[in-house]
This record gives sequence, structure tokens and C-alpha cells, in this order.
Amino acid sequence: DTEVTQTPKHLVMGMTNKKSLKCEQHMGHRAMYWYKQKAKKPPELMFVYSYEKLSINESVPSRFSPECPNSSLLNLHLHALQPEDSALYLCASSTSQGTETQYFGPGTRLLVL
Amino acid sequence: SQQGEEDPQALSIQEGENATMNCSYKTSINNLQWYRQNSGRGLVHLILIRSNEREKHSGRLRVTLDTSKKSSSLLITASRAADTASYFCATVGGSNYKLTFGKGTLLTVNP
Repeated sequence: DTEVTQTPKHLVMGMTNKKSLKCEQHMGHRAMYWYKQKAKKPPELMFVYSYEKLSINESVPSRFSPECPNSSLLNLHLHALQPEDSALYLCASSTSQGTETQYFGPGTRLLVL
Repeated sequence: SQQGEEDPQALSIQEGENATMNCSYKTSINNLQWYRQNSGRGLVHLILIRSNEREKHSGRLRVTLDTSKKSSSLLITASRAADTASYFCATVGGSNYKLTFGKGTLLTVNP
């Protein structure tokens, strides 16, 4: 199974809402990633987890809160987002952090009203 | 900030033709990867070339890497309408081995 799944596929939320994005992989990968992608732009790295510990935080605002409950799951908790946070949020995983190929999920398209 | 810069930004060709996309980067790398993205969905890994390699093939794909010029090219031969997508190069380098994407090339293959 070389699949990374993400739920939900689409999410609309108000600026006062709290929501969570979920990512799951069953490939035994020990590195997981969150990326943000705006329309017609490349993905930008947000967070990296390596062996369930936060390894990289790319100076992401605290309204985004990542969580890695176990080696297969990665969550992104959202609170008090701004309209400019509307984007495609991509999850990825790899065997280990860094040099390996990353496998991407289909993404969650988020709209903040 | 982006490490890679793809050229051209957009490319439109006819089915059966070859498509060539170029990528330039600025700093030393461990490896360079190419990804495809269809219609704003998830990215699909195409090929990885390490810094000590000069050329790799995978099916209809051919990737070259010139570390002296800090550039790479992706050649898709005998293109198909299904190849229509955005193509990104991504470099891995530095002490934390982050994957940094270029701006991408939008390829349109007309039937």
C-alpha cells in the first residue's frame, strides 16, 4: 500500500471555527510532512515530523498546530484562521526525513470565510 | 524561498511530440527530484537523480543533471494528453534535508 490518505477533501470554515485535517499512511514511513500550496504556486513546507517528533517548523503561525499521535497519523489543527490561509494542504510521508522520495496525499482544499 | 526555477513556465505541445522542461537551482544539493501534479491535487513522484549522477531514465522520462551549471532537465518523449499537468523540480540539500520546490512548468498536451 503506497497510499497517503487525507480527510476531508474539502473544508469550509469561518475565522472563529476550530477544525482538524487528518493524514494517514500505512507504509511504515517514519517521516511525515505538511505543505501549504496556494493556487498556481509550488508547495511550501510547513512542518516535518521525524519518528513522531516535530523536527522542522517553518515559522508557521500558531493558529496552525500539528500533532503526530502515532507513526501512521498526522493531524493539523486549525484555529482562528484568516482568509489568506485558504489553500490546498498537502500531507506527505517518506521512509525517513530528508533524502528519500516523498509520497503525497491528494490534499485538503481549505476555504476560510 | 524556492530553490528551483523551472523554464518554461508554460508549455503547449501536440500529442506525440517531446516535451522538455528545465530547472535551475542556486545551492549545492544532495539530490533533485521531479514531481507531477494534476489539476491542483496531490503530487506524484516521477524520478530522483542524485548529485553524483548525470542522467536517469524511467519509461518515457529522461532526466539530466549538471551540477556545474546547477541545472536539470526533464524530457518526456512521445507525449500523451494524459501527461497534461504541472511539473515541479524539487531539490534536497542542506543540513536538514528539506525538499524545496521550484515554481513549476504547466504542460498542456493537445490531442
